Amino acid sequence: SQQGEEDPQALSIQEGENATMNCSYKTSINNLQWYRQNSGRGLVHLILIRSNEREKHSGRLRVTLDTSKKSSSLLITASRAADTASYFCATDSKYSSYKLIFGSGTRLLVRP
Amino acid sequence: DGGITQSPKYLFRKEGQNVTLSCEQNLNHDAMYWYRQDPGQGLRLIYYSQIVNDFQKGDIAEGYSVSREKKESFPLTVTSAQKNPTAFYLCASSMGAGGVGLQFFGPGTRLTVL
Repeated sequence: SQQGEEDPQALSIQEGENATMNCSYKTSINNLQWYRQNSGRGLVHLILIRSNEREKHSGRLRVTLDTSKKSSSLLITASRAADTASYFCATDSKYSSYKLIFGSGTRLLVRP
Repeated sequence: DGGITQSPKYLFRKEGQNVTLSCEQNLNHDAMYWYRQDPGQGLRLIYYSQIVNDFQKGDIAEGYSVSREKKESFPLTVTSAQKNPTAFYLCASSMGAGGVGLQFFGPGTRLTVL
């Protein structure tokens, strides 16, 4: 069962531009996380935002969370070719904070 | 050097064979997970374990089996009952119950059925 769904499925931008990815989910959550996956590799945790937070920053990453709309966005500013990867949102639930449900991901291509 | 290791990186199986994928972690995490990823798709949970000697089925457990005899190890067996086992398999761990669910992933095993 898919809890989080990312939009768009694929995104191609020029180096230096900003990239925005969106995630929607269905049930109440404790927190929402964003992960990155380079082709053929494992996932790397980027940022976690709790349900009582609205915005969080980490370096060039900015995450927002709107629990009323059950949605989140990940903004990567001043993108670099090395940001090329797939990005996944993952949500837990009010009933099992340790078990995550991943969306289908956004494939980001940053052209040099 | 802390982390999660998976082996082998690539695995080829003939139809009808069982194969076991290894996952080891030295992060002292209580919880461990197995996911399956198909091309262009997200991760689907196969099995998870919150504590040694205990594990639960995820969303797609049919045709798979696991054991958790040691805290640091969570091997996954892909049995002949799994109809379409060709996929990328990812193991992860987290602090477990009481933690925030942040998961650390291994590098994955790509399984191909010949």
